[in-house]
Amino acid sequence: DAKTTQPNSMESNEEEPVHLPCNHSTISGTDYIHWYRQLPSQGPEYVIHGLTSNVNNRMASLAIAEDRKSSTLILHRATLRDAAVYYCILRDPQGFGNEKLTFGTGTRLTIIP
Amino acid sequence: EAEVAQSPRYKITEKSQAVAFWCDPISGHATLYWYRQILGQGPELLVQFQDESVVDDSQLPKDRFSAERLKGVDSTLKIQPAELGDSAMYLCASSLSGTGGYPTEAFFGQGTRLTVV
Repeated sequence: DAKTTQPNSMESNEEEPVHLPCNHSTISGTDYIHWYRQLPSQGPEYVIHGLTSNVNNRMASLAIAEDRKSSTLILHRATLRDAAVYYCILRDPQGFGNEKLTFGTGTRLTIIP
Repeated sequence: EAEVAQSPRYKITEKSQAVAFWCDPISGHATLYWYRQILGQGPELLVQFQDESVVDDSQLPKDRFSAERLKGVDSTLKIQPAELGDSAMYLCASSLSGTGGYPTEAFFGQGTRLTVV
């Protein structure tokens, strides 16, 4: 499985944008970039995913480098509720239930009031 | 909103005892995952089902762990005998099966916190 590298921890001030980086230099052409986050004492939840183009949804934006070897999850205006561990995951869409979902150690995001 | 249901939420058991966890995935989700999460670490995949078939159980300690999904719907994860090192959060997730080369979102339950004493 292709691996990702993320900083162990980051801090950000409340109501400011947050840029969470992820390096995936060994990404294959068919790997999708997924982001999940895990709030304290809860299971992980899906945030966003993309393949080549930048993506936006109600939770966040995903900026993907042109060579796809890195990506950045952008929270446009962090709130205290965004304090969580954020996981960057590569998924190969093998189909028919074979897609792996392999977590690393993620980035622990702390929001400062 | 549909959710992945897990029970119990918390379980305390003595070492060498048997323990079981139950998961009810979102209706229609053919893929089901069981993960173990040790405090401070990311979730580790134990077993993955596609309907009632095991797709991946390479990280499942088969001498003491077993998992089944008999009718392709709900699933049970069992540990027998439990060891102190099994203390962790056990998470269940489900997803629609990917088709057309498109990976689908996985939905997680709130997990079962196991403490072995």
